[in-house]
Amino acid sequence: GAGVSQSPRYKVAKRGQDVALRCDPISGHVSLFWYQQALGQGPEFLTYFQNEAQLDKSGLPSDRFFAERPEGSVSTLKIQRTQQEDSAVYLCASSDKAGGWGNEQFFGPGTRLTVL
Amino acid sequence: QKEVEQDPGPLSVPEGAIVSLNCTYSNSAFQYFMWYRQYSRKGPELLMYTYSSGNKEDGRFTAQVDKSSKYISLFIRDSQPSDSATYLCAMSGGSNYKLTFGKGTLLTVNP
Repeated sequence: GAGVSQSPRYKVAKRGQDVALRCDPISGHVSLFWYQQALGQGPEFLTYFQNEAQLDKSGLPSDRFFAERPEGSVSTLKIQRTQQEDSAVYLCASSDKAGGWGNEQFFGPGTRLTVL
Repeated sequence: QKEVEQDPGPLSVPEGAIVSLNCTYSNSAFQYFMWYRQYSRKGPELLMYTYSSGNKEDGRFTAQVDKSSKYISLFIRDSQPSDSATYLCAMSGGSNYKLTFGKGTLLTVNP
């Protein structure tokens, strides 16, 4: 079946612009995660949704970052007033389990954001 | 000091070699240990996962966890050019949905 998809795959923004990144998880997956991967680094956790509830947003770097999953499927990560340090690949992952052992996370291809 | 340390390499080996990849960690709460493979411009893909200490084997891949030393390893036997990728270790603890990743090791297997 289809995996996790993300759009756009590439986004170039001028500093100060707002951007919205979309994630389509695997159908039926209850858990959804966002990670940020800077160049040459491993992914870093941003936020976690269980269905439509955002249970953990401890990794969001500032209040310019906002994520939502209003109907428990598609999720959007929004970054307001983008800064150069926001340049990174934003990865979305989903899982068919609500936490717990065996919570394999399936990753999408990521959105590469470049802020000029 | 980061919670998970991983030598970024790069590591270059000839085809057929045995590859050893390693991570160390500092957080004693980590209980679940994973290895992901990431090809260029792709998302990470889960290769292996283990719980607590011990070994796990899957085909040409073996994962080892030594909790007493806070050290995990991934061995790749009979390495192939298609194994060329970045290998990321990842771990989680009590709130086990949150993965903490190493920096990743870039591996190239030369034909």
